Order: sequence, then structure tokens, then C-alpha cells
Amino acid sequence: AAGVIQSPRHLIKEKRETATLKCYPIPRHDTVYWYQQGPGQDPQFLISFYEKMQSDKGSIPDRFSAQQFSDYHSELNMSSLELGDSALYFCASNLWGSPSYEQYFGPGTRLTVT
Amino acid sequence: AQKITQTQPGMFVQEKEAVTLDCTYDTSDPSYGLFWYKQPSSGEMIFLIYQGSYDQQNATEGRYSLNFQKARKSANLVISASQLGDSAMYFCAMREGPVSNTGKLIFGQGTTLQVKP
Repeated sequence: AAGVIQSPRHLIKEKRETATLKCYPIPRHDTVYWYQQGPGQDPQFLISFYEKMQSDKGSIPDRFSAQQFSDYHSELNMSSLELGDSALYFCASNLWGSPSYEQYFGPGTRLTVT
Repeated sequence: AQKITQTQPGMFVQEKEAVTLDCTYDTSDPSYGLFWYKQPSSGEMIFLIYQGSYDQQNATEGRYSLNFQKARKSANLVISASQLGDSAMYFCAMREGPVSNTGKLIFGQGTTLQVKP
């Protein structure tokens, strides 16, 4: 079965640079979630989209922005990167209101800021 | 505010034995969902089991079962017949509200499980 795809899997950037992370949800899934997991930390919710509209917002810095496109893929744009942005970034997807309540997670993008 | 607490930073279990990972939660919403995820050293998040707040029976998925005690606000994960491949970080997570809500997950701090041969 198709899973959530994230690209790139690994990304190395320098401070003050920008980064774009991409997420391709499972086909027919209409909801996408972004989480940030710092080293040794639990995942923290950043933002979510349903049908291309932002549905919820968590602890996402103002330097970050995200959107969901017409084909339901989502991109997380990160500017003025800081060392503290080094983390594993997960995208998850599900079908809004489906009996399957679980969110399907992608493999993550490991971002290293130097 | 909703909160998930996992008080065991690390656990050891002998191969083939059962182990219980603790999880307590706090929420004022009568409708919520509880999840357990496994995160191996490779980093991916693997869904294990789900329990809805209105589910009458404890959830089971193969070797995984969830000991749901609503009055005590606990949702412990029981892994039976541990295998070496069970060594990983385990996260308890909660979704507040019914499925029609935004659905974001709040995670606990995680428990590292090591299975000894």
C-alpha cells in the first residue's frame, strides 16, 4: 500500500538559509499534519491542513510557512534557519472523518542546520 | 490543557516476556482518542494501536493490547511475548475531540524499551 512520502529525507543547511520540505499524503487522504521532533524530544505539532485550508496551528515559528496544494501535497517553508531548527520533521496524513483514526506518518525529513 | 505523561524514560524486558508501558493523560474533553506509536532507531513513526474514549472494550492488535482505565485516565500499552525487534522508543499520544475535530496529536515524552536476549 502507498505510504506518505517526504522529500528530501535528509537536508543540511547553514544558518540563515531557507529550506523547503515536501509531503505527499496517501492517495485520497485530504488532511496533512506537520510535526517537529527535536533530538531526544517528543514530536510537536506545527500545523495542519484540510482540503487546502489551514485547519489548526501549533507551535510553528513565524519564520515557517506551509500550504497544501490542489493535489493535496504540502510544503513546509522555513526561512532564516537557526541551529535550533535542527530536527526530524514528520508529515502525517489521514482522511477527515474516516473510521481509521490513526494518522499515517511519513519517514520524516532530517534537517541539520550548521 | 491536554497532557500526556509517560513516567518511564527507559525499560528493559527479557525476550519472550510481557512488558507494560505506562501512559496517563489529562483532558477535559469527553471525546478523545489515544494512540501508541513505535519509533525505531531509524526514526519512522509506526502506528501500533488506538483506543477511543467511548470504546467499551480494550483495544488489541496482535501482540499489542491497550489497558484502558478511563476513571484513572490511564492507557497503558502491553506488549506480549517481546521480541528483539520491539526495541525502540514508544510514544503515547492523544487526539482531543471527535474525529471531526482538527485531529492533531499531543505526544508524551516517550519510553525507550530494550529487549534483552
